Amino acid sequence: GAVVSQHPSRVICKSGTSVKIECRSLDFQATTMFWYRQFPKKSLMLMATSNEGSKATYEQGVEKDKFLINHASLTLSTLTVTSAHPEDSSFYICSAVLTSGSGYEQYFGPGTRLTVT
Amino acid sequence: GEDVEQSLFLSVREGDSSVINCTYTDSSSTYLYWYKQEPGAGLQLLTYIFSNMDMKQDQRLTVLLNKKDKHLSLRIADTQTGDSAIYFCAEGSGGYNKLIFGAGTRLAVHP
Repeated sequence: GAVVSQHPSRVICKSGTSVKIECRSLDFQATTMFWYRQFPKKSLMLMATSNEGSKATYEQGVEKDKFLINHASLTLSTLTVTSAHPEDSSFYICSAVLTSGSGYEQYFGPGTRLTVT
Repeated sequence: GEDVEQSLFLSVREGDSSVINCTYTDSSSTYLYWYKQEPGAGLQLLTYIFSNMDMKQDQRLTVLLNKKDKHLSLRIADTQTGDSAIYFCAEGSGGYNKLIFGAGTRLAVHP
């Protein structure tokens, strides 16, 4: 159980175009999902918190108009990178929070590698 | 502010025990986590410990928490080549169960 998927796993796009990445919790409902960005050989940088039915909360320094987040259902959050540029190339990872009687567990998707040419 | 630190690299011989250390600064952390990341993949939750616990054991994994020193460790017994990966320590603090990650420790297992 507690599987999170991301689609696509890899995407290459041209500079100036927009790319949508999907994050799905396959076997549980997640009120809260997170979007992270990981640079090569670096840790994960939290970009934003995605809450079902409300606006996302962005971390300091993350442009909300560039990284659009939509959490339309309890199993799906999307991240759209608008007007992508080469510096947006990165590994984007989402996670979904599973709340249980034993606490909070955050399960991660396999990541999406975005390359902007 | 919140900060999590880890050593960046650890090399062990197959069959030996590995100990990965982590320090954190936020004393209000409720949960502390260990994640494993293999090349090109997302993060796999290995184990976590609630802040009122000192130790948690799960098969080959032992987590020790020293809350006074804000020190967390992960011990992997009988380390295998399949354990080679990057291990991230994370603390749960702030609202919405936000996690703060360390930079990750790259574990290399050699014969």
